[in-house]
Amino acid sequence: EIVMTQSPATMSVSPGERATLSCRASQSISSNLGWYQHKPGQAPRLLIYGASTRATGIPARFSGGGSGTEFTLTISSLQSEDFAVYYCQQYNDWPRTFGQGTKVEIK
Amino acid sequence: QVQLQQWGAGLLRPSETLSLTCAIYGGSFSYHYWGWIRQPPGKGLEWIGEINHSGKTNYNPSLKSRVIISEDTPKNQFSLKVISVTAADTAVYYCARVSSGEYGFLRSYYYYMDVWGKGTTVTVSS
Repeated sequence: EIVMTQSPATMSVSPGERATLSCRASQSISSNLGWYQHKPGQAPRLLIYGASTRATGIPARFSGGGSGTEFTLTISSLQSEDFAVYYCQQYNDWPRTFGQGTKVEIK
Repeated sequence: QVQLQQWGAGLLRPSETLSLTCAIYGGSFSYHYWGWIRQPPGKGLEWIGEINHSGKTNYNPSLKSRVIISEDTPKNQFSLKVISVTAADTAVYYCARVSSGEYGFLRSYYYYMDVWGKGTTVTVSS
């Protein structure tokens, strides 16, 4: 199984600042990676697929990058609604696996 | 707009069978896979498995021996059963629509869960 490792586990950011989250795969997954945002009491929300393609309706302040084993999710200017847990997920192989999540909290 | 409504028993005793159902509204069972994902308390998301309209399934090997995902196409529903549950199966369970295919001139592959149910909290306790 492909292991996804996210870092950091938690990051404290002020509104308006930039946040860069990292995700590493235990083996190459090409660009077969998605990012999800998860808020307490809500269902996860798709942000990015194909490592860098924004899903429908996702603001341009969210951007994804990387390929192979190293990936990033960047939020260019954090808004109040962006404080949440973010998960990466690989779909290069079965079973689909998620990272353990990065919590973005208000500084 | 497709919506998913899920339901099932929220409190189970060890060794019982977890049973959840997810109904699809505003969309067809065809052309997609339909999956289940769970989140144990204080932990991350775990992909359980999925099914398509033809009954083809994919399962997480870590759960495969105890999980059954089935479909009822006429009712536009699909279901999850986990047999012989333990406390480790305590989690919020989500159903989701899976979209997959190719896009772009390079025919890149995509796969994602783009519509989700609200989640069902399942607690296993004696």
